[in-house]
This record gives sequence, C-alpha cells and structure tokens, in this order.
Amino acid sequence: QSALTQPASVSGSPGQSITISCTGTSSDVGTYNYVSWYQQHPGKAPKLMIYDVSNRPSGVSNRFSGSKSGNTASLTISGLQAEDEADYYCSSYTTTSTRIFGGGTKLAVL
Amino acid sequence: QVQLVESGGGVVQPGRSLRLSCAASGFTFSSFGMHWVRQAPGKGLEWVAIIWFDGDNIQYADSVKGRFTISRDNSKNTLYLQMDSLRAEDTALYYCVRDPLTNPHYDYWGQGTLVTVSS
Repeated sequence: QSALTQPASVSGSPGQSITISCTGTSSDVGTYNYVSWYQQHPGKAPKLMIYDVSNRPSGVSNRFSGSKSGNTASLTISGLQAEDEADYYCSSYTTTSTRIFGGGTKLAVL
Repeated sequence: QVQLVESGGGVVQPGRSLRLSCAASGFTFSSFGMHWVRQAPGKGLEWVAIIWFDGDNIQYADSVKGRFTISRDNSKNTLYLQMDSLRAEDTALYYCVRDPLTNPHYDYWGQGTLVTVSS
C-alpha cells in the first residue's frame, strides 16, 4: 500500500498560519475518522499532536487543529512559532486493519 | 509516567536475524495495543506491525510479512520483534509505540533502537 501523500515542505513566517494536507484513498482516510498527526524534531521521537482527525491530546497547544474532507485530511498550525519548525507526519487506519503514514512534511518557520 | 524502552539493535549481516525488545512501564501493558514503527536514516516513518492487547490479533506491513514476527509477554510487560532474513533496506531506527486501540493512534513512543544491516 502506498504512503499517504503530503507536501514535502511548507513554510511560513512567525505569527502566520499554515496548512499541511494528507491525501489518501477510500481505503484509509476516506473511510475512517482515524487520522492522526505527529510532530518530530531532529533526533527526537515523534509526538502525537492530533488524533481522530481533530482531537488534541492534553498538553498540545490549541494552535494545532485538524480537519478532513473526503480523502484528504489537513493539519493547521496558527500563530506559527519558531518551535513549530519540525517534520510532520499524518497516519490513518486502513480497511485491511493495518496502518499507513504519510511521507512527511518539513515545516520551516522563516 | 509511561515509559517504553527499546533494546536489541545493532549491526547484523544480510540474511541474519535479530530480536528487538521493548520494556514497558507506567501503565497497564495488557490493556493496550503495541506497534513497531521504523524510520530509515533521513527518511519518513514506516509502520511495521501491530499486536493487540491479548496477542490474538496481529498485522504486518507487506514489506516485512513472512520475515518479521511481533509478539508480547504481558507477564513481563515486554514487546518483541523477531527479525529474520534481514535485508539492507531494513536498516532503520525501530520505535516501540503504544496504541489505545479504541480509536487507533500512537499515543506514546519509545526513543528507538537502531538496526543496521550491512556486510
């Protein structure tokens, strides 16, 4: 199964908002509301930022939000801060009960 | 607090085997699904395998099916990954990850153990 499709890179200035897309198929993103997002800083383990499309775990800033339309999920980060610069990955449950990740998006805060 | 500590990584020749372990603490291990997720150097995340809380339900990525075996010992709070017939493309940092299963996602990650397959 091919990875979910994410843009390789996005960028924004401090204070701006950016959106990262995650496109799958009717075998994953389009069928289930089990899309999650992870932030990974260099040399660190990934950190859960969003689960079930739009839910934030305790401790995650409300500047992070998620949504979904059809086969595409999105992560929006508002009020960009320097510390948001990282790699971001989406993940989805699939119709074969397996899991799949996106290829990852490198966010640059200019 | 939840802790996941992987071990067992190292350098191994192609075709050989390696067994990874993940020691869990700070939560009721037998109530959660567990995954192995890997990340090749400079690359993205790749899901490898999942085992349900009771060990009865197991799934693998196509890239490792037939070569890797995930298992768990709930009495020892430990997750395992037996890796056989290793290939160069299996070189990666292997993460042990927790999943509540009720709504599938990865809520806690270990720091990873590095596996290098090279002659």
